[in-house]
Amino acid sequence: GAVVSQHPSRVICKSGTSVKIECRSLDFQATTMFWYRQFPKKSLMLMATSNEGSKATYEQGVEKDKFLINHASLTLSTLTVTSAHPEDSSFYICSARAGRTNTEAFFGQGTRLTVV
Amino acid sequence: QKEVEQDPGPLSVPEGAIVSLNCTYSNSAFQYFMWYRQYSRKGPELLMYTYSSGNKEDGRFTAQVDKSSKYISLFIRDSQPSDSATYLCAMSVGGYNKLIFGAGTRLAVHP
Repeated sequence: GAVVSQHPSRVICKSGTSVKIECRSLDFQATTMFWYRQFPKKSLMLMATSNEGSKATYEQGVEKDKFLINHASLTLSTLTVTSAHPEDSSFYICSARAGRTNTEAFFGQGTRLTVV
Repeated sequence: QKEVEQDPGPLSVPEGAIVSLNCTYSNSAFQYFMWYRQYSRKGPELLMYTYSSGNKEDGRFTAQVDKSSKYISLFIRDSQPSDSATYLCAMSVGGYNKLIFGAGTRLAVHP
């Protein structure tokens, strides 16, 4: 399958600071990228969908000013957690897809964010 | 009621056993059903993809969808220690858009 690389894999930050997570498609052009959040022993929850060159579409209950998503190129999307708080600590995973709805979306390896 | 229910386990089986993993769902509009495998500290990896009802087989894995009962299953035959992982069911109305995931079932296959 195609390769999606997510960086960093683990980050610890202080409360009130911002953290940027990168998601790159290494061997294909990702027209659509998805950002998920996963709590321990809970489901992956879709946070937002972004199409290259367009504003992200956020799911209900996700604060767009808190979780800034940028998809400026066909191989890179970033998620910035602004003014992070301990309750933002979670596992964040991106997935990327080339082409239409029925094209498989490949997942990155995830980023463990801990806010202290 | 959650849209997708999945028993988180853990499920522990001996090597060679047949494993049955299941999910139930409430949204009758779901048409696309997937099973993902997730190893510790890794992203999910697609195992099986099924559209609408029926069975699909791939090697040791068989996926079943029963839309009348809103119930999907993944069977693993001749389970191996390397199958030890968390298995997530996922489903959607439209392909890989807006996937709704189950909580995942942790499986341990012991030698």
